[in-house]
Amino acid sequence: GEDVEQSLFLSVREGDSSVINCTYTDSSSTYLYWYKQEPGAGLQLLTYIFSNMDMKQDQRLTVLLNKKDKHLSLRIADTQTGDSAIYFCAESITGGFKTIFGAGTRLFVKA
Amino acid sequence: KAGVTQTPRYLIKTRGQQVTLSCSPISGHRSVSWYQQTPGQGLQFLFEYFSETQRNKGNFPGRFSGRQFSNSRSEMNVSTLELGDSALYLCASSPGLAPYEQYFGPGTRLTVT
Repeated sequence: GEDVEQSLFLSVREGDSSVINCTYTDSSSTYLYWYKQEPGAGLQLLTYIFSNMDMKQDQRLTVLLNKKDKHLSLRIADTQTGDSAIYFCAESITGGFKTIFGAGTRLFVKA
Repeated sequence: KAGVTQTPRYLIKTRGQQVTLSCSPISGHRSVSWYQQTPGQGLQFLFEYFSETQRNKGNFPGRFSGRQFSNSRSEMNVSTLELGDSALYLCASSPGLAPYEQYFGPGTRLTVT
């Protein structure tokens, strides 16, 4: 079945890099996403990667995918206090029309 | 382009009542998904509609239902409300085709007393 797991908390200092990790279970052709949620708001799509890719970079964000271990990570370079939020990893199987979300990782950025 | 709008933003209902939530997707998007977000269960998928057809649904009781109109606007209904239905209900708009990226509204905060 589909399941997405991620650690619940991460604390970093401003200016450092943050790495948020996620594991997923489904080995089908799939898209994997990272969303950000700030207090009192809906989710904001940050980036996504298809399961046949290894890496994707978008400005300060780098996504790495290890297909063998079904492990996805999001690296945020030069983390700022404005990056403090909950980050959700999510998976959508092609043709499944359903996205499964992890529990979210709360990122604390200390000034 | 206007974003996803959800109405109402906040709602207080009593156990046993029913409620209807509304979602207007981004112009041109044909898919609307609904999610329930609670501190204990996280984000749970309710259902997805594409061009007025439900393509998938999550594991929720039949008290939860939805529909999509020809203009892609969607409504979800919860009948016979229970205390456990208190949650943030999020609507997500998508073109409906791969890569299925979703754009979320701000949510409707439902409190059942």
